[in-house]
Amino acid sequence: NAGVTQTPKFQVLKTGQSMTLQCAQDMNHEYMSWYRQDPGMGLRLIHYSVGAGITDQGEVPNGYNVSRSTTEDFPLRLLSAAPSQTSVYFCASSYKVHTDTQYFGPGTRLTVL
Amino acid sequence: GENVEQHPSTLSVQEGDSAVIKCTYSDSASNYFPWYKQELGKGPQLIIDIRSNVGEKKDQRIAVTLNKTAKHFSLHITETQPEDSAVYFCAAIREYNFNKFYFGSGTKLNVKP
Repeated sequence: NAGVTQTPKFQVLKTGQSMTLQCAQDMNHEYMSWYRQDPGMGLRLIHYSVGAGITDQGEVPNGYNVSRSTTEDFPLRLLSAAPSQTSVYFCASSYKVHTDTQYFGPGTRLTVL
Repeated sequence: GENVEQHPSTLSVQEGDSAVIKCTYSDSASNYFPWYKQELGKGPQLIIDIRSNVGEKKDQRIAVTLNKTAKHFSLHITETQPEDSAVYFCAAIREYNFNKFYFGSGTKLNVKP
């Protein structure tokens, strides 16, 4: 099992550019989620999914889109990057619900200039 | 808004000593309290969790205590080792709400050999 994988590890964007952060898991988990981590702050939930075809917003969804066409993949799209989106992004998955053990990916460090 | 306060932000102990990290939450509906360990350059990893119907839980050198009346919970690490050095995060979560996640801001633990 590779667990939760994220690509890329690092990315630099210019303001206004768009990009997709990739997340995949091979554990057949139903629940997947995206968080951002900013210095001195805890993780904040961006979007989550309870299964293929179902997504919903978390605490800080503005500026981000997600989709869940398969159980394995949960990409996060930045439509028009802003400097405020400079952060480290983590994807996580768990068996059925968010209170099952969550497994986190290694993170993507994004800088928006 | 709802939040979780975590103290201290940094903690330095001698190898073999105990370490205690405390969190206070404001959402009285929170009923699931996980603790995560994050090593440098990696994603968070669940180390222990507790639910609101339990006051204490132990797993080898790690224990968590919960006081629902006072709305605070603590992580206790005994006989600390250099490999315990990491950032630790607490979280308060509503078990039946998929998007009610509140993370603490983290405690950087340094165990000196």
